[in-house]
Amino acid sequence: GAVVSQHPSWVICKSGTSVKIECRSLDFQATTMFWYRQFPKQSLMLMATSNEGSKATYEQGVEKDKFLINHASLTLSTLTVTSAHPEDSSFYICIGSSTEAFFGQGTRLTVV
Amino acid sequence: AQKVTQAQTEISVVEKEDVTLDCVYETRDTTYYLFWYKQPPSGELVFLIRRNSFDEQNEISGRYSWNFQKSTSSFNFTITASQVVDSAVYFCALSEGDSGYALNFGKGTSLLVTP
Repeated sequence: GAVVSQHPSWVICKSGTSVKIECRSLDFQATTMFWYRQFPKQSLMLMATSNEGSKATYEQGVEKDKFLINHASLTLSTLTVTSAHPEDSSFYICIGSSTEAFFGQGTRLTVV
Repeated sequence: AQKVTQAQTEISVVEKEDVTLDCVYETRDTTYYLFWYKQPPSGELVFLIRRNSFDEQNEISGRYSWNFQKSTSSFNFTITASQVVDSAVYFCALSEGDSGYALNFGKGTSLLVTP
């Protein structure tokens, strides 16, 4: 069945470095990829929406220069957290959408 | 404005009790989708159900059941004969055309089932 494969599942990085998170849609074409983050004991908040071949649309308060999203193909979308800081530590989840929503497994990012 | 309200932040029940998790939503769209997800301590989101706005039929799946009522904009979730493994955070979510069908999540209800 349709699956979104998200990697890495967890990552620890040093403050100031960049981290790339990949989401691949398997057995379907994700025309839209939604990126969410979830802080501890909180809900999932939409960060940005990306459509294949076009620029991502960011939610209010999300820095587009800090969270770079690339959706170059119908099967791959990436989120790069640039110059990461401890406050970026969070659980990041991608959701691929065609006619239904398919979740990635999530990436737990810890910035030290 | 909060599109999805899960008024219960935490619920604690004893095993074998029935428990209902409430979800109230707000939308102007006539076509929308409602979801329930389970998030165990591992963090991964587990899909439970998806219901479109034109299908008000209640659904039962094993010990789980859902009551969708458009008149009250509610989509409540009941677990019958709860088990310890049901302990998790449960999220209700709304997907509507106005937001490009992105999922708008409620704040979640943390369910603790004790032996």
